[in-house]
Amino acid sequence: ETGVTQTPRHLVMGMTNKKSLKCEQHLGHNAMYWYKQSAKKPLELMFVYNFKEQTENNSVPSRFSPECPNSSHLFLHLHTLQPEDSALYLCASSQDLFSGRANEQFFGPGTRLTVL
Amino acid sequence: GQNIDQPTEMTATEGAIVQINCTYQTSGFNGLFWYQQHAGEAPTFLSYNVLDGLEEKGRFSSFLSRSKGYSYLLLKELQMKDSASYLCAPRGDSSYKLIFGSGTRLLVRP
Repeated sequence: ETGVTQTPRHLVMGMTNKKSLKCEQHLGHNAMYWYKQSAKKPLELMFVYNFKEQTENNSVPSRFSPECPNSSHLFLHLHTLQPEDSALYLCASSQDLFSGRANEQFFGPGTRLTVL
Repeated sequence: GQNIDQPTEMTATEGAIVQINCTYQTSGFNGLFWYQQHAGEAPTFLSYNVLDGLEEKGRFSSFLSRSKGYSYLLLKELQMKDSASYLCAPRGDSSYKLIFGSGTRLLVRP
């Protein structure tokens, strides 16, 4: 596997379900991100982790709970979601948060989530 | 506040040149990225500008004017596979936080 992978690619869940999204990066990066992409809206940054420590929570509702056990893996635990949470959830990674130069973010293919 | 403005949709012909404009207002500035995103796929990095001027990379070029809060992405010799959304994303005060626009959906026709 190369780059950033995400599983599952598609997920349908009811409002009372609990599910988890998984992200894994094979780039040796230290920073990982969760984004939400809703139809016709800009990507919204949700959470940022650097060296396994959360550095950003962008006012995300508590029904979304991130977990970063190590620099290569990032999870997003979901519970009691609402239909408006249906979106594409993208994971990204970068070398770290503070290197100069571009320090571009590499994105995974996303999980298409539908909440019924 | 922070604001990114780019056209919602553009159409161009295969083999032609297209310029996608982006104007931005951010609190601070630490460079500007362009990403390409095909439907249902991950955004992929195209270019990065931090100084004024033109950066050329094959068929793609990106321009930045910091004083005007303006950037454009120039695509030459358009191919059908260039049909995608193009995301303009300046980086504000933070060294890592990208501020994404809604993207420009480009349709390349034969």
